[in-house]
Amino acid sequence: DTAVSQTPKYLVTQMGNDKSIKCEQNLGHDTMYWYKQDSKKFLKIMFSYNNKELIINETVPNRFSPKSPDKAHLNLHINSLELGDSAVYFCASSPTNSYNEQFFGPGTRLTVL
Amino acid sequence: DAKTTQPPSMDCAEGRAANLPCNHSTISGNEYVYWYRQIHSQGPQYIIHGLKNNETNEMASLIITEDRKSSTLILPHATLRDTAVYYCIVRVVLETSGSRLTFGEGTQLTVNP
Repeated sequence: DTAVSQTPKYLVTQMGNDKSIKCEQNLGHDTMYWYKQDSKKFLKIMFSYNNKELIINETVPNRFSPKSPDKAHLNLHINSLELGDSAVYFCASSPTNSYNEQFFGPGTRLTVL
Repeated sequence: DAKTTQPPSMDCAEGRAANLPCNHSTISGNEYVYWYRQIHSQGPQYIIHGLKNNETNEMASLIITEDRKSSTLILPHATLRDTAVYYCIVRVVLETSGSRLTFGEGTQLTVNP
């Protein structure tokens, strides 16, 4: 009964490729997020969606495009992958009126060669 | 958001209480103190939060000083599985969606057998 799940767990790909990471939550939350954790372990928010609507879009290259087909899913598509995109990407969700109590997925480790 | 300061690392003996301090001297009246932790290679996990009263749940206790300029997270009986990076975050409670959790460097707690 996983709360927030991500696939794949590991992703190794070549520069220039396009890849997607999927996220699903079964908690009934309205808000979902994508965070990036770089090699120095700093965790930074990238996007936030509420009921399929984009709420937060931090300074992230246009190559990153989140898509929310429904409020239980928030996928991250990355075009033209670069070496600097290598990181661990975490999906999270939070309940309405408790947006700071976020539930995180297990992460996807992306390695761009 | 108010800035927080935490020691980079702490050690604790298994079975003993772990007391993790956090300074947030610029906290404003409507900001809460949140604690998260990240066990190696996992997503961050929400622990507890509070405004000014001490809080306790099944995971930990949160003690906030009367002037709210600092707080302490207490794990009453630390186990090896509590070894993790602990993050103290100060945030307003939003009434609309779009919470940006800003994770600093945190405190690496190592519980020793």
